[in-house]
Amino acid sequence: GESVGLHLPTLSVQEGDNSIINCAYSNSASDYFIWYKQESGKGPQFIIDIRSNMDKRQGQRVTVLLNKTVKHLSLQIAATQPGDSAVYFCAASQGFKTIFGAGTRLFVKA
Amino acid sequence: EAGVTQSPTHLIKTRGQQATLRCSPISGHTSVYWYQQALGLGLQFLLWYDEGEERNRGNFPPRFSGRQFPNYSSELNVNALELEDSALYLCASSRTGTPQIAKNIQYFGAGTRLSVL
Repeated sequence: GESVGLHLPTLSVQEGDNSIINCAYSNSASDYFIWYKQESGKGPQFIIDIRSNMDKRQGQRVTVLLNKTVKHLSLQIAATQPGDSAVYFCAASQGFKTIFGAGTRLFVKA
Repeated sequence: EAGVTQSPTHLIKTRGQQATLRCSPISGHTSVYWYQQALGLGLQFLLWYDEGEERNRGNFPPRFSGRQFPNYSSELNVNALELEDSALYLCASSRTGTPQIAKNIQYFGAGTRLSVL
């Protein structure tokens, strides 16, 4: 069946370093991808998205890279801060069908 | 603009009871989605409502049901509760559920933590 998976369940980085969170998806027909951030006690919040006709998109301190050949998605966070500590979900959509990954917990060490 | 609101924040029930969870979408959003987030797992899709109709359903038994009201708010009902139903139930809303929209960004509420004892 379809799946969106994450390579690492947890990631620990030093404050100020860059973070890279990876995600694999299985549905080659997925045409829209989103990264969400879920802080403790809150629902997931939209971070950044990318459509399948792009391979890179940048936001404020975040960059999403899409490799459709290997069906891989990554979220890069520059100069990671303590406030970046959260669970990060990727999601792959085809039309109105969205599948979420299991999530990666990011720990930022001071 | 108010975000997605869910109530109650916490709900404690015993096995066999029924639970009702409520969700109010962002103003202007017609689609409401329900997800179950069990500990250590990702978001499991439960139900999608748009314009008062159930549009899609995840792989959950029929005792998980819901509805969407004319004001686009929604209820999730879980009958005959089982211990494994203990989870965070998240509601999300989006502007529209049609596949022609440019982006299907879902905006989430803080969730209802359901504990079944």
